[in-house]
Amino acid sequence: ETGVTQTPRHLVMGMTNKKSLKCEQHLGHNAMYWYKQSAKKPLELMFVYNFKEQTENNSVPSRFSPECPNSSHLFLHLHTLQPEDSALYLCASSRDVTDTQYFGPGTRLTVL
Amino acid sequence: EDQVTQSPEALRLQEGESSSLNCSYTVSGLRGLFWYRQDPGKGPEFLFTLYSAGEEKEKERLKATLTKKESFLHITAPKPEDSATYLCAVQAASNSGYALNFGKGTSLLVTP
Repeated sequence: ETGVTQTPRHLVMGMTNKKSLKCEQHLGHNAMYWYKQSAKKPLELMFVYNFKEQTENNSVPSRFSPECPNSSHLFLHLHTLQPEDSALYLCASSRDVTDTQYFGPGTRLTVL
Repeated sequence: EDQVTQSPEALRLQEGESSSLNCSYTVSGLRGLFWYRQDPGKGPEFLFTLYSAGEEKEKERLKATLTKKESFLHITAPKPEDSATYLCAVQAASNSGYALNFGKGTSLLVTP
C-alpha cells in the first residue's frame, strides 16, 4: 500500500453518462496529480494541484473536470466521454511538486 | 523537447540470469530521474530517485545508476517475482519542477 487510494477500481460508462473518479492520500502530501495511461503509450500528465490550487492543465479536453476540495482528496469528473478515453487513470501525490510522486492503484475506465 | 527512451521494449530472462535495462534521456537540466515498477492492472511503485551523474542506488536485486545521458537498472540473479514493467521518468529543472516525462517502459518476464 502506497497510502494513495482510488475508487472505483473499474468503471464502465456510456458516452452520455456522467461519473466521477475519487482519489485520497493518507501521506500528508501537498501536491496531487491525475495521469492517463493508455496501452503502448507513456503516462500522460493531465492535471496538477499544489496546496489545492490547480497549477497545470496539460491541454486536457473539457470533458474531464478536476476538483480538489482539500490537500487529501482529488476528483476527476467525467462527462460525454469518447471511446478513445478508455484507459487506466492514475492518481499520484507528493510532498511538494519537486518531490517523488507516489501512485494509487488506478481506475480502469472503459467507455462504450 | 525532453525525451525519454527505454530499451529494450521487452526482455525475457531465465531465473538467475542477470541483465540491465536502459533509459536514455534528453532534458534541459535534470532535476531527477525516477525508476518505477508496475505490475499489470496496478499503479507504478516507486523504486529509486537519482539526482546527479555517478549516483548509484540499490534495493535487493536491483541497482540503478546514472550518467549524463542515460540510466541503467541492473537486475542481479532475478526471480520470477521480479517480472513487471519497469518505468523510467525524468523531471527537468527547466520547467516549474513537477512534470514527470515518462518512457514507455520495459516489460520484464523472468521464467523459472
